Amino acid sequence: AQKVTQAQTEISVVEKEDVTLDCVYETRDTTYYLFWYKQPPSGELVFLIRRNSFDEQNEISGRYSWNFQKSTSSFNFTITASQVVDSAVYFCALTERGNSGGYQKVTFGTGTKLQVIP
Amino acid sequence: EPEVTQTPSHQVTQMGQEVILRCVPISNHLYFYWYRQILGQKVEFLVSFYNNEISEKSEIFDDQFSVERPDGSNFTLKIRSTKLEDSAMYFCASRLDGEAFFGQGTRLTVV
Repeated sequence: AQKVTQAQTEISVVEKEDVTLDCVYETRDTTYYLFWYKQPPSGELVFLIRRNSFDEQNEISGRYSWNFQKSTSSFNFTITASQVVDSAVYFCALTERGNSGGYQKVTFGTGTKLQVIP
Repeated sequence: EPEVTQTPSHQVTQMGQEVILRCVPISNHLYFYWYRQILGQKVEFLVSFYNNEISEKSEIFDDQFSVERPDGSNFTLKIRSTKLEDSAMYFCASRLDGEAFFGQGTRLTVV
């Protein structure tokens, strides 16, 4: 069974600070995808990144970076020089390949609410 | 860029009424999903649909819920007799392979 844990319920930072959002996952499958989504106050889910289980390279996209470590089953997300517009709920998610060959449902963590204070 | 489209964006319905939430998945996708998010809570899986049948459903997806893909393009979620606790944001998603694409959601308010 797949499980995603986001231990940080809420984080507040002052603008321009760096912040890391933690994500720990559990899966018995060797083939899986990990995702991060942003949910602003308007409610939609904004896709940020996906990473498959065979690609442990860290990724940087502007102020965003992701650290995928299979050894610790973690997929952490860092925002550098945070801005007020980064205030949102961030969800980490996981989907397994499954025995049937198709991908299973996406399982979400409970989310981390980030508040960036000006 | 292709996207998943959900209508309506917001629906208000009276308790006990039937409601149908509509989704147009990305055209070449094969797997379809409905998720629910009660305000302030996590995004919960409801049901997955593949090859014209339900492939998995959660314990939330009881007899009051049903899904259909009536015409090869739309994917609908029906709630037969809405309850107050069905008030939530409902997300549709579709996928071809690993990446799941989510719609913008329908906010259902049951009064």
